[in-house]
Amino acid sequence: DGGITQSPKYLFRKEGQNVTLSCEQNLNHDAMYWYRQDPGQGLRLIYYSQIVNDFQKGDIAEGYSVSREKKESFPLTVTSAQKNPTAFYLCASSMSSGTETQYFGPGTRLLVL
Amino acid sequence: QKEVEQNSGPLSVPEGAIASLNCTYSDRGSQSFFWYRQYSGKSPELIMSIYSNGDKEDGRFTAQLNKASQYVSLLIRDSQPSDSATYLCAVPRGSARQLTFGSGTQLTVLP
Repeated sequence: DGGITQSPKYLFRKEGQNVTLSCEQNLNHDAMYWYRQDPGQGLRLIYYSQIVNDFQKGDIAEGYSVSREKKESFPLTVTSAQKNPTAFYLCASSMSSGTETQYFGPGTRLLVL
Repeated sequence: QKEVEQNSGPLSVPEGAIASLNCTYSDRGSQSFFWYRQYSGKSPELIMSIYSNGDKEDGRFTAQLNKASQYVSLLIRDSQPSDSATYLCAVPRGSARQLTFGSGTQLTVLP
């Protein structure tokens, strides 16, 4: 089955801890994206990557970091600098940079202990 | 003005009725528009895209685009309880075509 997987489904973070959210796709898509969704709100862009070994900040990148060492993988780290990390995190991909149709993974819900 | 705005809802319609969801956008240069459906606790799924002025139909769904008025809508005919979800309007921007989303309209179809 082709698709996007995210893990874990739920993640708990302690104060001062960095946590990493996984996103993997086997669609052979070039572009990948991370969004954050707060309750009752739309999605906001955190980071995006158009090609391996390259990524750009989105609208709310502070307190987050990413890497894109492999085409199929785009992990997101929520650092201790992100003071309000509780949210639903969604990874998406599209066929290539400039292709607009994005497909989403199932999401990771991050909660702070 | 927000880049993408949706009527906040919530919107309730009886089963079998037409549900009308609206979205306005600020960038006159926008060329494409997407509607995603998001069930509670789940990720968004693409249901419609539209690029040209006028109507685009896909089953019970019709997207309507009016670029002059910077307005895109989604009509759901013969609404079913399974259509109850939040509907998100999205507009691509930038070189990577990253999506800007509206805040969503929550639709409830009453049996």
